[in-house]
Amino acid sequence: DAKTTQPPSMDCAEGRAANLPCNHSTISGNEYVYWYRQIHSQGPQYIIHGLKNNETNEMASLIITEDRKSSTLILPHATLRDTAVYYCIVRVVNQGGKLIFGQGTELSVKP
Amino acid sequence: DSGVTQTPKHLITATGQRVTLRCSPRSGDLSVYWYQQSLDQGLQFLIQYYNGEERAKGNILERFSAQQFPDLHSELNLSSLELGDSALYFCASSVIGTGGFNEQFFGPGTRLTVL
Repeated sequence: DAKTTQPPSMDCAEGRAANLPCNHSTISGNEYVYWYRQIHSQGPQYIIHGLKNNETNEMASLIITEDRKSSTLILPHATLRDTAVYYCIVRVVNQGGKLIFGQGTELSVKP
Repeated sequence: DSGVTQTPKHLITATGQRVTLRCSPRSGDLSVYWYQQSLDQGLQFLIQYYNGEERAKGNILERFSAQQFPDLHSELNLSSLELGDSALYFCASSVIGTGGFNEQFFGPGTRLTVL
């Protein structure tokens, strides 16, 4: 079972920041938080990952709380092309490289 | 384009038949993963291969099997197909098989329809 909890859906206005929350209260000390997204029925796309520090790349920022029990993915200037299902995943380190996907958050970016 | 290729893109077949899905990982990636995405089950991990050897198994049915060849491409074989096997099948690849960081690159998927 997925170790994360996400809201099923969110809306965001185009050009505004999209903040997608994720709860992972049972995360272990050596587990990473990954974010992927899936646009329509395309293959999931890696966005960002982190262990305990905040991370930023060209796509997004990842804010992880100090207790690591939750995180927020931030898309700073959402566009219509960011409309997708966003998956927050906790990497189960000792069970190989598999990713366990939950239900994700369906983000709708509206004009 | 993730660099992972999957063939065919679409496959329509009948119940009881057998099909083979093919995946070519990104150049240099040693691990291949197979996932199934159906409307009622979401994205489910099926199986992982690393450098030709099975590394992890998920919710893969006994009617399904996979292998990874010396050139690192992988095939997923689905037999005795049932209506419920209709789904999107994704292949993903990554450089390493274990460890904390494991960015997986997904292919475009094969849409299987069983009639």
